Amino acid sequence: GENVEQHPSTLSVQEGDSAVIKCTYSDSASNYFPWYKQELGKGPQLIIDIRSNVGEKKDQRIAVTLNKTAKHFSLHITETQPEDSAVYFCAASNAGGTSYGKLTFGQGTILTVHP
Amino acid sequence: GAGVSQSPSNKVTEKGKDVELRCDPISGHTALYWYRQRLGQGLEFLIYFQGNSAPDKSGLPSDRFSAERTGESVSTLTIQRTQQEDSAVYLCASSLTLRGQYFGPGTRLTVT
Repeated sequence: GENVEQHPSTLSVQEGDSAVIKCTYSDSASNYFPWYKQELGKGPQLIIDIRSNVGEKKDQRIAVTLNKTAKHFSLHITETQPEDSAVYFCAASNAGGTSYGKLTFGQGTILTVHP
Repeated sequence: GAGVSQSPSNKVTEKGKDVELRCDPISGHTALYWYRQRLGQGLEFLIYFQGNSAPDKSGLPSDRFSAERTGESVSTLTIQRTQQEDSAVYLCASSLTLRGQYFGPGTRLTVT
């Protein structure tokens, strides 16, 4: 089955700096890669996703890049703000065929943005 | 519109008791997933429902766990004879397509 590794486990940055979180996956059949933000006591919130036919996607201060050959994808947050502080999870799935989009998650990254 | 809702938000139970957790998906979402999140860890897939198809139960950790879904609406996750290792946050997600799962706030289960 799929295995997703996420690094770093914790990340501390100053407000205004950039933050990068990286994930690798094992199953070459995976074709959908969402990122979730989870605040304390809440469920994960989908913030951005990318499909395997795209190399990069951007939404305001957030961007995701995908390298299918190396089987890794990354989340980039620019101009970080204190409200970006949360736990971020990457995930992978094979959306289509018989795999119905079951997500395999990384272990999470605790991001702290210091004012 | 309303998101995914779950109840109860918190549940404390004694070891050996049965518990039932409820999920109300986003209206119109045909797919529903249950995940478990242990403290400080990522999410583990438990079970998946899609319309009237047979559910995929491949992630259920033991036969003490079961789940049902009525059509394309409410789902319940039942844990029988709870054990301390069942303590976790149980999260439900729904989606309209195979991409874009939207999560509820979860039920925090504590088994004492």
